[in-house]
Amino acid sequence: EAGVAQSPRYKIIEKRQSVAFWCNPISGHATLYWYQQILGQGPKLLIQFQNNGVVDDSQLPKDRFSAERLKGVDSTLKIQPAKLEDSAVYLCASSFGLKETQYFGPGTRLLVL
Amino acid sequence: QKEVEQDPGPLSVPEGAIVSLNCTYSNSAFQYFMWYRQYSRKGPELLMYTYSSGNKEDGRFTAQVDKSSKYISLFIRDSQPSDSATYLCAMSLFGNEKLTFGTGTRLTIIP
Repeated sequence: EAGVAQSPRYKIIEKRQSVAFWCNPISGHATLYWYQQILGQGPKLLIQFQNNGVVDDSQLPKDRFSAERLKGVDSTLKIQPAKLEDSAVYLCASSFGLKETQYFGPGTRLLVL
Repeated sequence: QKEVEQDPGPLSVPEGAIVSLNCTYSNSAFQYFMWYRQYSRKGPELLMYTYSSGNKEDGRFTAQVDKSSKYISLFIRDSQPSDSATYLCAMSLFGNEKLTFGTGTRLTIIP
């Protein structure tokens, strides 16, 4: 069974630029999560989707971050404009349903200069 | 005070030793407790999942939860170099969602 796929794996941008990350969850998984993991910290949930609807985005900085999952499968996370403090690994996870085991992708490492 | 506290390490032990990893938490409403293993440049993977207080064993791994002390532990017996990774505790009110993670403990097993 293929795991959660993410791209790109690495991205370097300058502050105030925009960036987008892509996630393809495990086939059949209805629930999709985006996490931010800053160096030396645990992952922090940014947004949770159930199919193409948002379940929880309470910790998403909505003035600069946006995410969508239009067809209930792939998802994109965008940052516009980026700040230095956005440097982190952005992890995507998926699960078969709510409260089921989450499977994480390898993450996208973002460095904002 | 952080909701979940975890010693960041690093922790280095010789191969074959017993490893003890710990987390404390402040929210007494947490009911579900998890341990994730994260290898370098990889995403976390679920290692152990427990509900409420008690022990759970899976091979060389044992998870303990003491809700009265708000303290959870992961023990690794007969540690192997392949156990070298960062170990993250996580907890929640609602099962496998709305997880609150610790900062992770970086573990190295020395051959």
